Formats: sequence, C-alpha cells, structure tokens
Amino acid sequence: GQNIDQPTEMTATEGAIVQINCTYQTSGFNGLFWYQQHAGEAPTFLSYNVLDGLEEKGRFSSFLSRSKGYSYLLLKELQMKDSASYLCAEGGGYQKVTFGTGTKLQVIP
Amino acid sequence: NAGVTQTPKFRVLKTGQSMTLLCAQDMNHEYMYWYRQDPGMGLRLIHYSVGEGTTAKGEVPDGYNVSRLKKQNFLLGLESAAPSQTSVYFCASSLAGHNEKLFFGSGTQLSVL
Repeated sequence: GQNIDQPTEMTATEGAIVQINCTYQTSGFNGLFWYQQHAGEAPTFLSYNVLDGLEEKGRFSSFLSRSKGYSYLLLKELQMKDSASYLCAEGGGYQKVTFGTGTKLQVIP
Repeated sequence: NAGVTQTPKFRVLKTGQSMTLLCAQDMNHEYMYWYRQDPGMGLRLIHYSVGEGTTAKGEVPDGYNVSRLKKQNFLLGLESAAPSQTSVYFCASSLAGHNEKLFFGSGTQLSVL
C-alpha cells in the first residue's frame, strides 16, 4: 500500500509487550483496520477504529489519532502463537480499503 | 457455516492458459472482492462487486475478468495467464462496504510458468 507505512519486521520476547505502528494518508479517511495473518493462511480481522482513542480487546489494543494519520496495535503478554504478520489497512473512499505491506512479528522465547 | 470458500487451493499454469477461480460465501454478504498478495506489495484489490450482477475494477484489474451471477459466488478469470500473475489470490466478502470487516477465503497459490 503506497499510502500506508508500517515497519517490515519486528522481534519481541514471549510475555512482553510490543507496539506496531502504522501511518496513513489522512485524505478520504474512513476508518483503520488491523488484520492478523499467519504464514500460509488468510488474514483475519483484529480491530477497527474510526474515532480517536484506544480500543481494547483482551490482549490486543488498537489506537487511532486521525489528526496525525497514525495508528498502533498493542499486543500484551505475547505468546508464541502471536508470531504472524500484522496488516494495517485504511478504509478510504467508496468500497476502497488500502492495505499496508504488513509487519512480520517474530516472538522469541 | 463455512464462511468464504475458495477453489482451487493450488494451481500451476503455463503461459497463455486460462483458468477460473471460484469463491463462494454463505453469509449473505453483499460485497465481494478479489485480492492478490505478493511479497513486499501487500494485498492489492483486483476487482470487486457490490451486489449480484455488478462488478467494478480495483487497483490492478488488467488481465483479469470477474462475474457475479449469483449473490453467493464471485468468479475470477484469467484468459491468458502470464508469469506476472504468479501470486496468492484471496477472495473476501463483507456485509457492506469500506467500514465493514472483511472475511477472507483460504487463498489460492497460482504459479504461471
């Protein structure tokens, strides 16, 4: 996704907290999605933010700042099964969802 | 409730051959999409449909055609496959449009030799 920027790779330790950042183009913004994709599998929905602030869902939280064009996904109490790619996606205009290239997270013991 | 089902899961084609990928959803979703995923490129939208009988071009439509004759099915066709179409293809559906989460099929790994 040319308008979405997120780190390519990250490594974190089991039990720790990791924050995956995403910046996007603010024009025509209609919400920010996070998806999880394990290797060789399909993406699955994690979160959707359309208003500023933090949304918490168990070990995962997602934050949005519309004025800054910025979002992050926070993963707490990391588990080995959290090793996956995390895709930031911007809901733009009509029917248009633009995906970032994804952040590959490796959780190590 | 199967969700979104894609067939086939794997396919190898020779340059110039044609094929059709089938996507079926049982969630009564109005919107359906075809994406391709390439290393370093992220998911890119090929074509999409906002309802039975309608289709529209996405970001990378060239070399592909689609049809949505029935609400539950969305077909992606390659008339003359090229090596540049080697990719993983994902079908997805959503209840409505851009502010609804996508449900993805398990993907099709296509190699064009």
